[in-house]
Amino acid sequence: DAKTTQPPSMDCAEGRAANLPCNHSTISGNEYVYWYRQIHSQGPQYIIHGLKNNETNEMASLIITEDRKSSTLILPHATLRDTAVYYCIVMVNQGGKLIFGQGTELSVKP
Amino acid sequence: DTAVSQTPKYLVTQMGNDKSIKCEQNLGHDTMYWYKQDSKKFLKIMFSYNNKELIINETVPNRFSPKSPDKAHLNLHINSLELGDSAVYFCASSPLGWEKLFFGSGTQLSVL
Repeated sequence: DAKTTQPPSMDCAEGRAANLPCNHSTISGNEYVYWYRQIHSQGPQYIIHGLKNNETNEMASLIITEDRKSSTLILPHATLRDTAVYYCIVMVNQGGKLIFGQGTELSVKP
Repeated sequence: DTAVSQTPKYLVTQMGNDKSIKCEQNLGHDTMYWYKQDSKKFLKIMFSYNNKELIINETVPNRFSPKSPDKAHLNLHINSLELGDSAVYFCASSPLGWEKLFFGSGTQLSVL
């Protein structure tokens, strides 16, 4: 039931910015965009979320287009430890029922 | 100080057995969850509890029974284990009404 489309895999050079796209063309007005990641053999980890405005925290930046139909997660200086599967999730706040899609497998290479 | 801890990390058992996975969170959160990640890596919610009350119960066989003795603990009991139950089970917690979930490191269940 995922309402998002992400590329299945991406590569990024260590130290460079990783830009992970997400298409969510059917997003409705009260739905947020969340990003989580899952490093191998670990539980998912919250990264960032937003509704309309761009957001930045210590981990990443989230750029949401004006029409809200797509977004980009930016890891400004990717490290090897950022190698993980990144999930873009679109949903209203409804009690923690995250619907994970396939995600993007990001490989950060030396 | 692990925020969400679950035990055991690995669980290998025979078909038909009954097993439990324990979860504890020390974040003071109101809501706890169980998620299942299957062999194809799809993550799906199973249950959520808020202050010991069941909130979400997805279409999970009734062989799976969550139990919340207090708001810091949510255990998962599985009766009559089947081969298809083999998966990684993740416990998580969050403040009420907030989608920032904190996940445990998972329990890999293998049913032989």
